[in-house]
Amino acid sequence: TQLLEQSPQFLSIQEGENLTVYCNSSSVFSSLQWYRQEPGEGPVLLVTVVTGGEVKKLKRLTFQFGDARKDSSLHITAAQPGDTGLYLCAGARGSQGNLIFGKGTKLSVKP
Amino acid sequence: GAGVSQSPSNKVTEKGKDVELRCDPISGHTALYWYRQSLGQGLEFLIYFQGNSAPDKSGLPSDRFSAERTGGSVSTLTIQRTQQEDSAVYLCASSPDQGGRGYTFGSGTRLTVV
Repeated sequence: TQLLEQSPQFLSIQEGENLTVYCNSSSVFSSLQWYRQEPGEGPVLLVTVVTGGEVKKLKRLTFQFGDARKDSSLHITAAQPGDTGLYLCAGARGSQGNLIFGKGTKLSVKP
Repeated sequence: GAGVSQSPSNKVTEKGKDVELRCDPISGHTALYWYRQSLGQGLEFLIYFQGNSAPDKSGLPSDRFSAERTGGSVSTLTIQRTQQEDSAVYLCASSPDQGGRGYTFGSGTRLTVV
C-alpha cells in the first residue's frame, strides 16, 4: 500500500500549457515537501508546506497543502522545457524522522 | 562541504560480492538518511541517523544490508552477498534536524549487480 499517491504518473505537454500534479493520502502529515529530480541527479527541494490550507508560490509554480493536511497539489503555469523532470511529494509524520515519498510524476514539456 | 557527496557514482559488481557505498553529508547536519530508488518504485527508505541516537533501521530490506555513521559525519552503507534485485540508485540525504524542513540529497550511487 502506497501511503502517498501521486497522479498522474506521466504527463507530456506542450510548452505554454498549464498543468496540475496531485499528491493524496489518507494519513495526516505534519509537513509536506515537493522535490524535482533530473536524470542522474538527486531530488532537489522546491518547497515545504506546513499549515493546512497553505499556498506557496515559486515563480510559475503554485503549491497548496490541503486543509486537513492529507493532500497537496502543484500547479505549473505556462510550462517550459526546463520544467521537465520527476516531481516527488514527500510527507513528514509527527516525530518520525524519515520522509515518506510518493512514486513521482514524470513531466515532459515539449518545445 | 557545500553539498552531499556520494561515492562511487557508479558501481558494477558480481552477484555474491560485498559492496560499500559512501556518503559525506553537509557539515553540521545532524540527520543523515539512506534511500533506494528503483525504476517505477519511488524512493524507498532504508535507514536514518540522528545525532548520537540509535539509528532507525526499520527500512533495511534484509540482514545483508547495514550502515554506520562515524563521528556523526560520514556514513557507509554496506550490502553483503549482493543479489540482482539490489540493483538500484542508492541516495543519501542530510538535514539540519529531523527533516521536516527538507533534505539535501547527493547525486546517488547507481549499483548494478550482474
